[in-house]
Amino acid sequence: QKEVEQDPGPLSVPEGAIVSLNCTYSNSAFQYFMWYRQYSRKGPELLMYTYSSGNKEDGRFTAQVDKSSKYISLFIRDSQPSDSATYLCATLGGFKTIFGAGTRLFVKA
Amino acid sequence: EAQVTQNPRYLITVTGKKLTVTCSQNMNHEYMSWYRQDPGLGLRQIYYSMNVEVTDKGDVPEGYKVSRKEKRNFPLILESPSPNQTSLYFCASRDTSGSYYEQYFGPGTRLTVT
Repeated sequence: QKEVEQDPGPLSVPEGAIVSLNCTYSNSAFQYFMWYRQYSRKGPELLMYTYSSGNKEDGRFTAQVDKSSKYISLFIRDSQPSDSATYLCATLGGFKTIFGAGTRLFVKA
Repeated sequence: EAQVTQNPRYLITVTGKKLTVTCSQNMNHEYMSWYRQDPGLGLRQIYYSMNVEVTDKGDVPEGYKVSRKEKRNFPLILESPSPNQTSLYFCASRDTSGSYYEQYFGPGTRLTVT
C-alpha cells in the first residue's frame, strides 16, 4: 500500500465549476499536509499547507484534512482555465516529503 | 531571485554513456534532493542530502550517484544510463528550520536514454 494515494485523473471540468481533489494517506502519525501545483513543463510549487486537522482557505482554494478518515482534500471554487495543471498532495514523514501521484486537471473555457 | 536551477533541461543520450545533471540553489538551504517523475507514479525520491558531505538513499537509488561537496550544489550522476532511466528529473531544496515543509523545485530535466 502506498503511503499517499491519489487518483491521477484526468479530471475535466467547465469554467466556473467547483473542483474537488482528494487523497488518502496511511500513517496516522503524519501531521503536515501540502498541495503542490505543477504547470506543464515546470517544477511543482507549493500551493497550500495545513497542519493537523481542519480547513485552510486562501482565495478560491480550500484545503481540508480529516485525520479520522485519513483524507486530504483541495477544493477550487469558480475554477478558471489558468487552474489547469497537475495537483499533487503531499505529507511529511520526518524530513521526507511523500507525494501522491498527482491529478491532472483541465478547466475548459 | 530565490531559485533552484538545473542543467541541462533536455538530454538525449545512449545506453552506457555517463552523464551528470547539475543542480544549484541560492537559498542557503541545507536539505537538497533529487526526484524522478513518471506517469502514474508521481514523484519518487532518488537521493537526498541533509548537508554538505551527508547524502542518503531515497526510494529509487539504483543506477544513480550524487555528491554534496558544496552547500549550493547537488549533482546527479548516471554512470551507465539505461532506457528505464528515461524520465523527468527534478532537483529540490528545502530549509530545515522555519517553514521546513516547503520544497523549492527546479524546472526539471527531461532525460531520454536510447
